[in-house]
Amino acid sequence: GAVVSQHPSRVICKSGTSVKIECRSLDFQATTMFWYRQFPKKSLMLMATSNEGSKATYEQGVEKDKFLINHASLTLSTLTVTSAHPEDSSFYICSAGDRVAKNIQYFGAGTRLSVL
Amino acid sequence: RKEVEQDPGPFNVPEGATVAFNCTYSNSASQSFFWYRQDCRKEPKLLMSVYSSGNEDGRFTAQLNRASQYISLLIRDSKLSDSATYLCVVTLGGFKTIFGAGTRLFVKA
Repeated sequence: GAVVSQHPSRVICKSGTSVKIECRSLDFQATTMFWYRQFPKKSLMLMATSNEGSKATYEQGVEKDKFLINHASLTLSTLTVTSAHPEDSSFYICSAGDRVAKNIQYFGAGTRLSVL
Repeated sequence: RKEVEQDPGPFNVPEGATVAFNCTYSNSASQSFFWYRQDCRKEPKLLMSVYSSGNEDGRFTAQLNRASQYISLLIRDSKLSDSATYLCVVTLGGFKTIFGAGTRLFVKA
């Protein structure tokens, strides 16, 4: 069964609205979670690393005010796409790192965001 | 040079064929190696870890060559259900993870 739950799986929203995506680790405590973005037929692009109880670390070129990340507990991280625009339409995937399992990352099912 | 390089393919093979993918990585300090499988519009799923001693799981065999800095994945007796994109993944320590762009495989009847 899934060890990482991501919700929602699909979002269609109007331009200018904010969208929140949740990522939960189900079977282990994840002090570190990751948010990726993936365009069609392209590789996963790391957006940010979410650390429980502290600020997220954003990759170069990713706007932290645009993509708000909160990791308030050991099992939950959220990504909020603020004031979404059509160019934000993409497949967003979270993952949680399992230190016990030699740093393997388990992925959520992904969220397909379409901004109209 | 990309940190992790893979042949994007696609590899088109008939059912029952044996197919091999290679992946090269540039950082000699890389610590852990994995193959993930990603189906269209789905999340990546761990296929197997890769060790210097080799790792076999059923029809799948993964190998690591640290001296040449490449890893490989061999699929024997290909099934239609093996059609997917295979991602080569390298970690540099902690959770610093680099994903390859993936190799697409199509297995045809």
